[in-house]
Amino acid sequence: ETGVTQTPRHLVMGMTNKKSLKCEQHLGHNAMYWYKQSAKKPLELMFVYSLEERVENNSVPSRFSPECPNSSHLFLHLHTLQPEDSALYLCASSQDVAGKQYFGPGTRLTVT
Amino acid sequence: GQNIDQPTEMTATEGAIVQINCTYQTSGFNGLFWYQQHAGEAPTFLSYNVLDGLEEKGRFSSFLSRSKGYSYLLLKELQMKDSASYLCAVTNDYKLSFGAGTTVTVRA
Repeated sequence: ETGVTQTPRHLVMGMTNKKSLKCEQHLGHNAMYWYKQSAKKPLELMFVYSLEERVENNSVPSRFSPECPNSSHLFLHLHTLQPEDSALYLCASSQDVAGKQYFGPGTRLTVT
Repeated sequence: GQNIDQPTEMTATEGAIVQINCTYQTSGFNGLFWYQQHAGEAPTFLSYNVLDGLEEKGRFSSFLSRSKGYSYLLLKELQMKDSASYLCAVTNDYKLSFGAGTTVTVRA
């Protein structure tokens, strides 16, 4: 039990669909992150939030839209995705932005 | 830019020792993490090095040389459950940059 949960664990969506990924951390951390993990490639940092403020947007296409309503919850809103967006999307949290990160189990996303 | 290199795959026998090397060239450096990731699971924290030298934690040890931009993760007394991907990651302020990971396969 890592203290970071993600839902759904698996998602299949068409290119015209709109869906959202949810992440919740029960660790009292102040920073949360979204990563994309594709096969045989390094984890790619997408977004960083610290105290609910976005501090990093790593050149991510606008079809990915993050939302951090409070320090415990992080969402990733998806719309008009492409097949190459199929990947494992991992959420993580840390006490502060320079600290050890705890990862959630990820959402396996398939875009058809 | 960030450049973090580690071998793609390594194979070792149960009970043996394996050393996974990681070299990095980054625009800043606060520390270096090693994570373990089993297939289909989340990465889990193994070690964190800030200063040069060896950090030992049970069967796993991690070494850092900041002047050489080099680290290694040493896995001793390998067990079948150690078969996983091992990720080297460098932290710079708020950003954690990962290598592509080294898949370690432990054979009986």
